[in-house]
Amino acid sequence: QKEVEQNSGPLSVPEGAIASLNCTYSDRGSQSFFWYRQYSGKSPELIMSIYSNGDKEDGRFTAQLNKASQYVSLLIRDSQPSDSATYHCAVIDPGAGSYQLTFGKGTKLSVIP
Amino acid sequence: DAGVIQSPRHEVTEMGQEVTLRCKPISGHDYLFWYRQTMMRGLELLIYFNNNVPIDDSGMPEDRFSAKMPNASFSTLKIQPSEPRDSAVYFCASSFNGAGAQYFGPGTRLTVL
Repeated sequence: QKEVEQNSGPLSVPEGAIASLNCTYSDRGSQSFFWYRQYSGKSPELIMSIYSNGDKEDGRFTAQLNKASQYVSLLIRDSQPSDSATYHCAVIDPGAGSYQLTFGKGTKLSVIP
Repeated sequence: DAGVIQSPRHEVTEMGQEVTLRCKPISGHDYLFWYRQTMMRGLELLIYFNNNVPIDDSGMPEDRFSAKMPNASFSTLKIQPSEPRDSAVYFCASSFNGAGAQYFGPGTRLTVL
């Protein structure tokens, strides 16, 4: 049974602070890793993808991947109230014979003005 | 690019009725995925297609659910007969390659009374 674990939160940070979201996954063969943002009543929106160990930066967002530890994280710098949403970690393990995205339950982030 | 298009956006029906959800993927994307989201179970894959061919339908709950993709630009998910426990948000997503990022449509919120 493939599992992606996230702290459900809520995670509250003050405006301008760094928000740190964490995720662990069970399948060692996982090769593709994503962070999706989902506002209430809306669909998941891709914000970061990462495929190799290390850091990947895109604007205020940095994704970090450590395959040895089976750990993925997302840092949001200079957090804004508009960043308040649920963030889902998702992985693909093509070795399992399927390209399905396995999602974590999501971490609810609240940025306090 | 118009993104993934889904219809209807909301559907309210009575138990026992047939429900058909529709999806148009992003042009040029060879993979199409159907997901269901509930509070209890989060986001779950129902089925996905590659080049219009169903590849993994292990997430389809039971025989009441069926999905088709008659051409590269259209897919349907049908529930017959519908039951109250089918109430959820159904998302369609598409991707250019199987292990890459998936882009979600706005979803169909289904309520079965």
